[in-house]
Amino acid sequence: KAGVTQTPRYLIKTRGQQVTLSCSPISGHRSVSWYQQTPGQGLQFLFEYFSETQRNKGNFPGRFSGRQFSNSRSEMNVSTLELGDSALYLCASSLSLNQRRPKNTEAFFGQGTRLTVV
Amino acid sequence: KNEVEQSPQNLTAQEGEFITINCSYSVGISALHWLQQHPGGGIVSLFMLSSGKKKHGRLIATINIQEKHSSLHITASHPRDSAVYICAVSPGANSKLTFGKGITLSVRP
Repeated sequence: KAGVTQTPRYLIKTRGQQVTLSCSPISGHRSVSWYQQTPGQGLQFLFEYFSETQRNKGNFPGRFSGRQFSNSRSEMNVSTLELGDSALYLCASSLSLNQRRPKNTEAFFGQGTRLTVV
Repeated sequence: KNEVEQSPQNLTAQEGEFITINCSYSVGISALHWLQQHPGGGIVSLFMLSSGKKKHGRLIATINIQEKHSSLHITASHPRDSAVYICAVSPGANSKLTFGKGITLSVRP
């Protein structure tokens, strides 16, 4: 069974540009969550998608957005990049069978996309 | 907001030693996760706990819900165990994780 795949692995962008990162979950997993990891703040939750709907959102500005497709693949977009957006962006997928009363299931993480903003 | 604290901050051990990493959280949770991150960034989920104890190979994880505390034990430590170990908690009804800052473990041969 293939794991969680994130593309690209590395990315360099300049301030003011926008970027789109992609995450393909494990087959059959319907929940995809995104996280940002920086040396100063550690790992922080960005948002979670389930069945193409954003189910939870962390405390990030509106420049950070995401979406999920019918095949559960997810993308996150950051517009008007700032130097402080340089980070490792991780996604994780989980089974999450029941949408109304989500059941905690183990999260499987991808290798991450390392974004550098210059 | 749940605060997740890990201790010790950093840890160096000799190969073969028994290692314990602790995690405390401030608000009741649905599940606690132990994660391992090697240089290069990839994260591996080691355990997800709601109660009691789980064992996988040389790794043992325990949780005390009343005391809001969990421990990760590594028996017969090996240099390949060198990594950052991160504790994360899930609130009652969804998978949104709150993370500790992580413990950097270095196991010397």
